[in-house]
Amino acid sequence: AQKITQTQPGMFVQEKEAVTLDCTYDTSDPSYGLFWYKQPSSGEMIFLIYQGSYDQQNATEGRYSLNFQKARKSANLVISASQLGDSAMYFCAMTARSGYSTLTFGKGTMLLVSP
Amino acid sequence: EAGVAQSPRYKIIEKRQSVAFWCNPISGHATLYWYQQILGQGPKLLIQFQNNGVVDDSQLPKDRFSAERLKGVDSTLKIQPAKLEDSAVYLCASSLVRTDKQFFGPGTRLTVL
Repeated sequence: AQKITQTQPGMFVQEKEAVTLDCTYDTSDPSYGLFWYKQPSSGEMIFLIYQGSYDQQNATEGRYSLNFQKARKSANLVISASQLGDSAMYFCAMTARSGYSTLTFGKGTMLLVSP
Repeated sequence: EAGVAQSPRYKIIEKRQSVAFWCNPISGHATLYWYQQILGQGPKLLIQFQNNGVVDDSQLPKDRFSAERLKGVDSTLKIQPAKLEDSAVYLCASSLVRTDKQFFGPGTRLTVL
């Protein structure tokens, strides 16, 4: 079984500052993938970044980077230079690579960016 | 490239009524997913299709929910009869393969009165 834990219900950050959203995971599968999705108020889930469990380097996508610490089972999302449009819910999710394992989501973190 | 399409965007029904949602995945995506997202929670998988076959429906309340994906392309999710606790956003997603990143549609917000 897989489990994702996001302990921050809400986060506040000022525009242009960096922010870290926490995510810890638990799985017995040796091969897995970690994802971050953004969900604005419109409701659509937008893919942000992906990290494979065997990837040597931390993933980066523009202003998004994933701080992957395998021994600690954490996959924190770092958003650099926050923008007002970054205000949204952020979900951490994972899938195991064996069998037909499904995508398991955390409860999410609401990020509010202030001017 | 067109994204995942869903309709309707919003639906309000009374309990014990029936409702159906439609999803058209991204062209060429073999895997299709239906999720239920209750307010304040992350999405929960209801059913996963690989082409037109079901590979995971372990969390689908089969006494009232059904889904099909005829011809391995678009899909419908039905609730019959609806309960108050079915009020949620129903998200459809697709991916090229089962462990690839999933692309989501805009969702259908269902309110059961």
